[in-house]
Amino acid sequence: EIVLTQSPGTLSLSPGERATLSCRASQNVGSSNLAWYQQKPGQAPRLLFYGASSRAIGIPDRFSGSGSGTDFTLIINRLEPEDFAVYYCQQHGSSPLTFGGGTKVEIK
Amino acid sequence: QLQLQESGPGLVKPSETLSLTCTVSGGSLSSSSYYWGWVRQSPGKGLEWIGSIYITWSTYYNLSLKSRVTISLDTSKNQFSLKLTSVTAADAAVYYCAKHGGYSSIYTSGLDVWGQGTTVTVSS
Repeated sequence: EIVLTQSPGTLSLSPGERATLSCRASQNVGSSNLAWYQQKPGQAPRLLFYGASSRAIGIPDRFSGSGSGTDFTLIINRLEPEDFAVYYCQQHGSSPLTFGGGTKVEIK
Repeated sequence: QLQLQESGPGLVKPSETLSLTCTVSGGSLSSSSYYWGWVRQSPGKGLEWIGSIYITWSTYYNLSLKSRVTISLDTSKNQFSLKLTSVTAADAAVYYCAKHGGYSSIYTSGLDVWGQGTTVTVSS
């Protein structure tokens, strides 16, 4: 099973700032088989990216995803109030599909 | 617009079977070329993929749960279901149904459509 480790656990930032989130896999997830999700309280996760950098429908371009192999990054430029949430990575390269523990982006 | 809705008992007794159904609206399961899956989320374990099923009844299960899990389809009702046997307190979670975004594969994309989730408590 591929273990995904996200860092930092919490990111305290102000609106307008840039957020950089990391996801590291315990083994190669197969090129770019990594997804990112945003989850707000009481809501289901929302797909942001798949294939490491392919933006899902409706995701603003201030969000960007990158990486391959075992190291992946989600960047949110110019944080908007609605971006404060928990972000999860998930590998979709091998079974069982696994998720990271999440990074909470909170308002500073 | 595709929508998913989970339904089922919110309270299950220990050792009994948890049964949940996901109703798909705005699209047809029988004519889809996607996998449909179940994910759960608990404070202790975070997000955990349970398993997924295709229209051909091809299934993938998380090995950690495989001996207790069955996912099935009912195309006449446009639904797919989850059964988890011999539940314990560790199975208490919010259960989500979701659609895989990749064509005919669980490996080419993430989960792009989710239900709102249903909370399952395990208690006698």
